[in-house]
Amino acid sequence: AQKITQTQPGMFVQEKEAVTLDCTYDTSDPSYGLFWYKQPSSGEMIFLIYQGSYDQQNATEGRYSLNFQKARKSANLVISASQLGDSAMYFCAMSGGGSQGNLIFGKGTKLSVKP
Amino acid sequence: NAGVTQTPKFRVLKTGQSMTLLCAQDMNHEYMYWYRQDPGMGLRLIHYSVGEGTTAKGEVPDGYNVSRLKKQNFLLGLESAAPSQTSVYFCASSYDIGDTEAFFGQGTRLTVV
Repeated sequence: AQKITQTQPGMFVQEKEAVTLDCTYDTSDPSYGLFWYKQPSSGEMIFLIYQGSYDQQNATEGRYSLNFQKARKSANLVISASQLGDSAMYFCAMSGGGSQGNLIFGKGTKLSVKP
Repeated sequence: NAGVTQTPKFRVLKTGQSMTLLCAQDMNHEYMYWYRQDPGMGLRLIHYSVGEGTTAKGEVPDGYNVSRLKKQNFLLGLESAAPSQTSVYFCASSYDIGDTEAFFGQGTRLTVV
């Protein structure tokens, strides 16, 4: 069975500094996708970044990068130059390979950016 | 652009009542999902569908039923609501879950008293 683990319930970071949010996963599928979503206090889910299991390079999207270490089954999110607007819940998610079609989430990390 | 629309946005039910949550997407997506979000629990998958006429159980399917009669709609039913089903419910859809992101509705806050 697939599983996503986020071990940091809450994190603090100083504005303009970088922060890493941890995510480990477990799956027996050779093909899968890893995602990060942001949920601000307003409640909507915002897609941030995607990494495929066969991608050779780490994904990057602006200030977001995904540190993908396949052998360790980790997919950590790195946010560079934190901004006050980055304060939110962050969820790591994994999609099943092939026709499984499911998309499961971790419990999330609450990031607070201090001015 | 409507994207994913959930109806209703808020609802209060009495224990034992039934209701249906509607999710509609206008992006011709094959995959659709229903999640519940509870404090400290993240988003837990209730049921999902990989195409019109298909449904599958997720992590927490008990007490819920779903139907996908039309490609654009995914309905979540509560036959006999219980206080444990008090939660925020999210619907999502995706064109191809392998390598594209899911788009989410705005959520439905359901309270069962």
